[in-house]
Amino acid sequence: DTEVTQTPKHLVMGMTNKKSLKCEQHMGHRAMYWYKQKAKKPPELMFVYSYEKLSINESVPSRFSPECPNSSLLNLHLHALQPEDSALYLCASSQHLSTEKLFFGSGTQLSVL
Amino acid sequence: GQQLNQSPQSMFIQEGEDVSMNCTSSSIFNTWLWYKQDPGEGPVLLIALYKAGELTSNGRLTAQFGITRKDSFLNISASIPSDVGIYFCAGPMDSSYKLIFGSGTRLLVRP
Repeated sequence: DTEVTQTPKHLVMGMTNKKSLKCEQHMGHRAMYWYKQKAKKPPELMFVYSYEKLSINESVPSRFSPECPNSSLLNLHLHALQPEDSALYLCASSQHLSTEKLFFGSGTQLSVL
Repeated sequence: GQQLNQSPQSMFIQEGEDVSMNCTSSSIFNTWLWYKQDPGEGPVLLIALYKAGELTSNGRLTAQFGITRKDSFLNISASIPSDVGIYFCAGPMDSSYKLIFGSGTRLLVRP
């Protein structure tokens, strides 16, 4: 299994809603990442987990809350988002934090109304 | 900070033509990665380069790690319609584990 699976594929939410994005990998990778990608722009790093511990938080607003329940799962909890948070949210994994080869999921296209 | 500049920004070519694109930086990189992203999908790793001067192929794709370690090139030979997408170069920032991505080259192929 060489896949990173993200759900849902699409999500529409209001500014008062609470929702969660989910990511799963079964490659035995110990580093997992959340990236945000606006249209026609490159992906931008949000969070990095290594061995289920948060290693990097790129000064992301607290309305985004990551969680890594175990080595295969990564969640991103969303609360009180703004319309400008609409983007493609990509999950990725790598064997270890020091491994540059990242494997990406297909992403969740998020629209905040 | 470190930045990766990709060129060209976009290309519109005829099927069967060869394609070249490049990525440059004012800083030295120890690793260069090339990703392709299809619309509505995540980036897929095409080629990874680890040594200055290295030339690596993956089917019709060939990438080179520039000898100065400040640039990398990606060539696609005999393009086909499924080559359409955005190609990103990427590399780890400074001595950290954070990947930064270039601005991307959008490729369109005319059948």
